[in-house]
Amino acid sequence: GESVGLHLPTLSVQEGDNSIINCAYSNSASDYFIWYKQESGKGPQFIIDIRSNMDKRQGQRVTVLLNKTVKHLSLQIAATQPGDSAVYFCAENWSGGGSNYKLTFGKGTLLTVNP
Amino acid sequence: SAVISQKPSRDICQRGTSLTIQCQVDSQVTMMFWYRQQPGQSLTLIATANQGSEATYESGFVIDKFPISRPNLTFSTLTVSNMSPEDSSIYLCSVAAGETQYFGPGTRLLVL
Repeated sequence: GESVGLHLPTLSVQEGDNSIINCAYSNSASDYFIWYKQESGKGPQFIIDIRSNMDKRQGQRVTVLLNKTVKHLSLQIAATQPGDSAVYFCAENWSGGGSNYKLTFGKGTLLTVNP
Repeated sequence: SAVISQKPSRDICQRGTSLTIQCQVDSQVTMMFWYRQQPGQSLTLIATANQGSEATYESGFVIDKFPISRPNLTFSTLTVSNMSPEDSSIYLCSVAAGETQYFGPGTRLLVL
């Protein structure tokens, strides 16, 4: 039957392909961004972050790109593996001069990796 | 990063009852937060748990419905009061390390 309230964007890729997950953020004053991975039945897991004074940051198999002009964030996963299957969330923060630590989360994208 | 645990991991409750969720961190942290994640949706911040003072609630969340305790720098509780089926969600605590937040495993609540 239909899952009420389940309306996540989805991305399906083949194992070994590269994945690109996109996020449009809302606050032009946001200066810190995080990508989280949430596997079924678990809490969100930190993947990578980036500050607004950068436009690219690389981790292990992951790269985050930030385009402040259009308020767009993307997460690239190289050589996607079945273990990468999860929901991915972007989150933004406006530090407010150092006193604000609240995160605002995007809707999330469900990534499915087909073997 | 800190190791965060939550109890219970899941529960099924009857409407009208209350459930208290515990969050334990293995190190002292200044900032702790409680989030709600409704089925198939993103995370929404309920409140910031302040040590030694009342929690700071976000718009749409009130202390009578979601009372929070923060007795020390490693522990917090969230109570979901007078529950209804609409409270069925995952409840998550997080801790801040600088601007980065790390999350617990969540408490999956089903209200019948």
